[in-house]
Parts: sequence; C-alpha cells; structure tokens
Amino acid sequence: DAGITQSPRHKVTETGTPVTLRCHQTENHRYMYWYRQDPGHGLRLIHYSYGVKDTDKGEVSDGYSVSRSKTEDFLLTLESATSSQTSVYFCAISTSGFEQFFGPGTRLTVL
Amino acid sequence: SQQGEEDPQALSIQEGENATMNCSYKTSINNLQWYRQNSGRGLVHLILIRSNEREKHSGRLRVTLDTSKKSSSLLITASRAADTASYFCATDAPQGAQKLVFGQGTRLTINP
Repeated sequence: DAGITQSPRHKVTETGTPVTLRCHQTENHRYMYWYRQDPGHGLRLIHYSYGVKDTDKGEVSDGYSVSRSKTEDFLLTLESATSSQTSVYFCAISTSGFEQFFGPGTRLTVL
Repeated sequence: SQQGEEDPQALSIQEGENATMNCSYKTSINNLQWYRQNSGRGLVHLILIRSNEREKHSGRLRVTLDTSKKSSSLLITASRAADTASYFCATDAPQGAQKLVFGQGTRLTINP
C-alpha cells in the first residue's frame, strides 16, 4: 500500500459531531489528497495538499477542512458531520502529482 | 468539471476472454491513467499514457489513446478470475494543478 495508512478504518458517529480522519505516509511524498467515494459518483476530490501548510480545495470541499503540519500527516476534519457525509474516504499520495497511491480507505457512517 | 466516463458501466465475461473498457473525456489532457479497485480496497495504479502516445502495454494490459476523439480504451487479454474489479480512468485536471478527475468506473466480473 505504498506506505499509506488511514485511521480510523471504520467510524460511526452522530449528526453534528466533529470528526477527524488521519492519513499518514512514510515515503515523504509531496502531494496528498482526500477523496470520497459514493455509488454513482466515483471518486471525488475533497481537498489536496502540495506541501506542508499548502492546501487547496477540490470538487466537493464544502463541510470539510484539512491540515498538514508535517509532511507525513494529512488530516481531514468534518466540523459538524451530516448524513450526506456518510461515505468511504480515501487518502492518496503522489510524488509527481500524476501517478497516485491510495490508502485502504475509511468507512464513515453518520447517523 | 472535466470527467472521464467509462463504458460499459458493467461487464461480465468468461475466464480466458478479453475484456475491453472505454473512457471518454471532455477537454484536452496531458495524460490519462487507468486504476483498478478490488472490492473494499483502495485504487491501484495500472498504467499512464501521455497525450503524445497512442498505445501502451503492460503485461496483459493494452491501453490506447485517441486524442482526436477524446477517448481511451483498456484491453485486458486472457482474463483471469483475479481481474474481477472495478476499473477507473483518470485525467489530469485542466487547470494544470497536480490533480486527477476520475470517471465512475466499469465493474468487471470474470466468470470461471
């Protein structure tokens, strides 16, 4: 899995609660990405990072924030979770920004 | 947003047959990639083809790219049960940032 871990792997939470998902890499890749995958929508980019403290929005960034204070960690925060954010979340890393390596995913359920 | 669209959405064939999946996209690209996703797992990069390339091979995989038609195809020859997975094409975003835009995928089932 190219040295990528995601935690937690599964989480069930209630509407309105904050949630933070963590992506950790061991290979010093510059680029890191957060996607969500939903039936009928494929993978959609939420946020991405091109360096420490350098982040930008993706296609579906509303309701999400990110932080990258260290090269190896990229955090995705749902400030106040909603049922529409129930999804599978994937982190990806890349050196070039082209070929991407994906983590195992986090299955999030918001009740 | 620019997006690859795979066709067909689902494909079921017998083991040993060839499988062909197609991807169409809307705007000019620098490169196109194909990924595989086994059920419940993350995506795995298969192959990247650049806009100035027309065909590329990797083992049993053959990818073609026709920039005039804005389309690509992925051929898997001599399919195996282990090839059962979803296959996604991804194109680089038009703004030049290091981002990818994924299609919705083709679900391939190989029957023994």
